[in-house]
Amino acid sequence: GNSVTQMEGPVTLSEEAFLTINCTYTATGYPSLFWYVQYPGEGLQLLLKATKADDKGSNKGFEATYRKETTSFHLEKGSVQVSDSAVYFCALSDSQGAQKLVFGQGTRLTINP
Amino acid sequence: GAVVSQHPSRVICKSGTSVKIECRSLDFQATTMFWYRQFPKQSLMLMATSNEGSKATYEQGVEKDKFLINHASLTLSTLTVTSAHPEDSSFYICSARDSRGTQYFGPGTRLTVL
Repeated sequence: GNSVTQMEGPVTLSEEAFLTINCTYTATGYPSLFWYVQYPGEGLQLLLKATKADDKGSNKGFEATYRKETTSFHLEKGSVQVSDSAVYFCALSDSQGAQKLVFGQGTRLTINP
Repeated sequence: GAVVSQHPSRVICKSGTSVKIECRSLDFQATTMFWYRQFPKQSLMLMATSNEGSKATYEQGVEKDKFLINHASLTLSTLTVTSAHPEDSSFYICSARDSRGTQYFGPGTRLTVL
């Protein structure tokens, strides 16, 4: 079945550091890929998405490129801020049918000033 | 962006009682809603897919008689945990899918069964 593997956290960085959170997936067909973010005390929010190979999703300075050859969707940001502290989830959805989401285990990110 | 609410945000109940959790899409209609369960420091696991006007589709291993789902309108789905036991204590999260296929998540409900 479909699955998503994220780099284990927690990840702690200083403000303005470069961020990479690795995500790889296993899926049949052509899934869509997502990054969701969960700020403390809040629900999950869609951060960015990509629906086909070589697509790049971007939002709020974050980027991720759908790499079919390496089955990866790594999240990057060039200069993180304290306000980026949150839990980040990589996910994929079926390309057909119910389009159910399958999540990675989540990566807790803490940015220190 | 689209907003999904859940009620209650926290609930504590005695073992053997039933608890109902509501999930509402506030500014859009959702023919499909999803219910997830999240254990501490773990990922979200899909429990069931809730379709308006029809029976929910449960994931393998989820007891449909224990976790009753009703999707009575295009903006409301409810999850009832029947005869709750301590092992049902968890964080329950719903999501609602809009017409373009994007899922919007509620803030979650923390259930504690004593």
